[in-house]
Amino acid sequence: DVVMTQTPPSLSVAIGQSVSISCKSSQSLVYSDGKTYLHWLLQSSGRSPKRLIYQVSNLDSGVPDRFSGTGSQKDFTLKISRVEAKDLGVYYCAQTTHFPWTFGGGTKLELK
Amino acid sequence: EVQLVESGGGLVQPGRSLKLSCAASGFTFSNYYMAWVRQAPKKGLEWVATISTSGSRTYYPDSVKGRFTISRDNAKSSLYLQMNSLKSEDTATYYCATGTYYHWGQGVMVTVSS
Repeated sequence: DVVMTQTPPSLSVAIGQSVSISCKSSQSLVYSDGKTYLHWLLQSSGRSPKRLIYQVSNLDSGVPDRFSGTGSQKDFTLKISRVEAKDLGVYYCAQTTHFPWTFGGGTKLELK
Repeated sequence: EVQLVESGGGLVQPGRSLKLSCAASGFTFSNYYMAWVRQAPKKGLEWVATISTSGSRTYYPDSVKGRFTISRDNAKSSLYLQMNSLKSEDTATYYCATGTYYHWGQGVMVTVSS
């Protein structure tokens, strides 16, 4: 199984600050079609998860460009610029390249 | 507007069965792979099952393989999860989601306890 390791497990941030979350996979996430199925989701308190970024760097509709995703192969990063209060919650990376699909353990973004 | 509405959760004894449903609307259901994802209380997300657009292919992690069955009815725009031989560790909120997690339902709680 592909193990997804997210760091840090938690982050305290001030509004307006920028943060980065790392996600490393135990094997390459490049699929046979050449695409990399690594996604980022946010779960706000008491809510269902919401996908923010798909295939490493593509923002979903309505997601502000303060969010950006980078990376390749086994090493990926989510960056949030100018954090706002509505950005707080738990961020997950997820891979859908290899079955079984797996999630990272989550990074909790809290207010400092 | 895309909607995924889960139902069928509840309290069930260990070893018993339960069937979850997910009613989809607002998109062409038959064009999408669909998935179930669960979240144990205060824990992270765990993928449970995926089904292809036609239903001919299904995928499971080892933790539920042989006990859970995902199915779909494209005519009814509905997704199902038949859960047999339930264990206490299956206690979680179960979400249905489209393909690679773009749309999610609100979730339904399943509690396995005697």
